[in-house]
Amino acid sequence: AQSVTQLGSHVSVSEGALVLLRCNYSSSVPPYLFWYVQYPNQGLQLLLKYTSAATLVKGINGFEAEFKKSETSFHLTKPSAHMSDAAEYFCAVSEGGNEKLTFGTGTRLTIIP
Amino acid sequence: GAVVSQHPSRVICKSGTSVKIECRSLDFQATTMFWYRQFPKQSLMLMATSNEGSKATYEQGVEKDKFLINHASLTLSTLTVTSAHPEDSSFYICSGGDVETQYFGPGTRLLVL
Repeated sequence: AQSVTQLGSHVSVSEGALVLLRCNYSSSVPPYLFWYVQYPNQGLQLLLKYTSAATLVKGINGFEAEFKKSETSFHLTKPSAHMSDAAEYFCAVSEGGNEKLTFGTGTRLTIIP
Repeated sequence: GAVVSQHPSRVICKSGTSVKIECRSLDFQATTMFWYRQFPKQSLMLMATSNEGSKATYEQGVEKDKFLINHASLTLSTLTVTSAHPEDSSFYICSGGDVETQYFGPGTRLLVL
């Protein structure tokens, strides 16, 4: 079975500050890992994904994440927060691209002007 | 990335009626699609895996006779909520993907009065 833990249901950062959203996973097989963003009343948009290639993954909107097997982590970062980054962020794990996703509980990111 | 559409985006119905939600992959073929449910301020929970040309696979605790899934073509999966009750009110999201990534529809908000 797979699981995802997102530490911090709410994260607030100042505009221009570093964004760090934490995600730890559990998987009995090499995982596929994803970060999705959800704006209010909308579906999920893929930010980035790890699929066993490079451990440092760059995504859209300046986000990146690093896969650390030893720490079973896949934390999401962005050097400088923008107001438009305010949203709900979900980390997810699967056994493959066309396999079902197991989601974390989500982290609501608030940007302070 | 690939595009998944859902229709309707929002539906209000009376208790006891049935509601059908369509999920379409617009620019790719999806032999497998997934249906998720999201309650307010919560994460996505997988309801079922929709397989083209065969029966859907339901997650534990999801009533297959209440949530009917049909995947009759490689681009269309439907979820029918039968005899809907207020507790079925939720945000329903479908996804479809390729070998590496799941792409999500914009979601359907169901309100049962």
